[in-house]
Amino acid sequence: GESVGLHLPTLSVQEGDNSIINCAYSNSASDYFIWYKQESGKGPQFIIDIRSNMDKRQGQRVTVLLNKTVKHLSLQIAATQPGDSAVYFCAEITKDTGNQFYFGTGTSLTVIP
Amino acid sequence: GAVVSQHPSRVICKSGTSVKIECRSLDFQATTMFWYRQFPKQSLMLMATSNEGSKATYEQGVEKDKFLINHASLTLSTLTVTSAHPEDSSFYICSAQGPYRSTDTQYFGPGTRLTVL
Repeated sequence: GESVGLHLPTLSVQEGDNSIINCAYSNSASDYFIWYKQESGKGPQFIIDIRSNMDKRQGQRVTVLLNKTVKHLSLQIAATQPGDSAVYFCAEITKDTGNQFYFGTGTSLTVIP
Repeated sequence: GAVVSQHPSRVICKSGTSVKIECRSLDFQATTMFWYRQFPKQSLMLMATSNEGSKATYEQGVEKDKFLINHASLTLSTLTVTSAHPEDSSFYICSAQGPYRSTDTQYFGPGTRLTVL
C-alpha cells in the first residue's frame, strides 16, 4: 500500500524555540492531510489539516506546509512549550483508497525546559 | 472538535476470556468508525473499518473471528477481543468519521489499554 513516513523519529528542542516536524508521502493522489498529536497513554488529538489545493495553513502557534512537488508535509510549532512534548503523526487520505487514513511512523518531540 | 469516548479505559483480564470495548461519538453521527491497535513507541495500525449497519472491513492479517466488530448505531461501535491471549495486550484506539461527508476528519477516542495475563 501507499506509505507515509517521517524523516526524524525523535526531536529535542529548547523551550521557546521553533520546532519543525517533517513527513514524506508517496501517493501523489493524496488530497487531504492531517497532523495529530498523541500524548503518552492517550488517543491522537487533531492539530491541523490541509487539503491538496493549499500549500500553507496556519493555526494557533502551528503552521502546516504542503509541497506537492516533492510530496512533503511539515508541521511548524512556534515558541515550543513543555506541553508540546508528544508524538506527532501525519496522516494522508485519498479518495482512491476509499478515504482510508494512512499514518506515518510518528516523531517524538521532547521540549527541554 | 468532536468528542469520542471509549470504555473501559483500562482492562486487565485472564487469558481465554473475552473483552468488549465500546466506542461512542458523543456529539455527532459517525457514519464510519475505525479501530486501531498501537504497540509502544509505534504508529497506529488500522485493524478494521466499520460502517453503521454493515459488516466491518478488516485489514489484511487481522482475524475477523477474533476481533468482532459491531456498529449498531451511528454513535456506537464495539470491538470484542475473543479468547484473549497475552499477545493481544495492546492499546486499542477507535476513531469516528463524520458528520457530513466521508472525507471529514477522524476524531479519536482516548484509547483502551488491554492487558491479558
